[in-house]
Amino acid sequence: GAGVSQTPSNKVTEKGKYVELRCDPISGHTALYWYRQSLGQGPEFLIYFQGTGAADDSGLPNDRFFAVRPEGSVSTLKIQRTERGDSAVYLCASSLNPGDRGNEQFFGPGTRLTVL
Amino acid sequence: SQQGEEDPQALSIQEGENATMNCSYKTSINNLQWYRQNSGRGLVHLILIRSNEREKHSGRLRVTLDTSKKSSSLLITASRAADTASYFCAVRGRGNTPLVFGKGTRLSVIA
Repeated sequence: GAGVSQTPSNKVTEKGKYVELRCDPISGHTALYWYRQSLGQGPEFLIYFQGTGAADDSGLPNDRFFAVRPEGSVSTLKIQRTERGDSAVYLCASSLNPGDRGNEQFFGPGTRLTVL
Repeated sequence: SQQGEEDPQALSIQEGENATMNCSYKTSINNLQWYRQNSGRGLVHLILIRSNEREKHSGRLRVTLDTSKKSSSLLITASRAADTASYFCAVRGRGNTPLVFGKGTRLSVIA
């Protein structure tokens, strides 16, 4: 595709439910990143994939959060037992060069998650 | 933490004026990047400046970096209403570390 896409664009769920958020990176980009952005804040790093493996998951807040990228392309962020504090916009980004995470990242439009 | 912190938090100017936003950080960096975000959704990369560079230009954008002061500035010249957005700096530390974003500056350009 032309850019990074994320689905759904909006997700409303109830406290305690399980949700999955999907990211389709730019074709050929081997590096993929997940961020979380709360209102009035900048994006907060969650996890980084290089190919199929999670190279850095130090930003995941707790074990309710998990992400996979089984074929090195599409990634799914999974949140178990959602809490109201999980409400935020979840952003996905990809970049071409896996060896240098500091290079330009291309962001998707985000998924706005609301936990009631 | 090496989080970038933008200043001011909000800025309102008239179309045609220049807009200057500042970013400060705390530790040594590999590079510093500026991103733009419209309506709280996806970010767009504007410019990257490496730690050994002092100034870069891209169209109406000018970025400076002062590593001795651990600060950077983004200047948008001849602003347009379409420049209205939030602008974030993001720093990448040395080693294989993730980008760390600041809280952003909300720029409003009034036509």
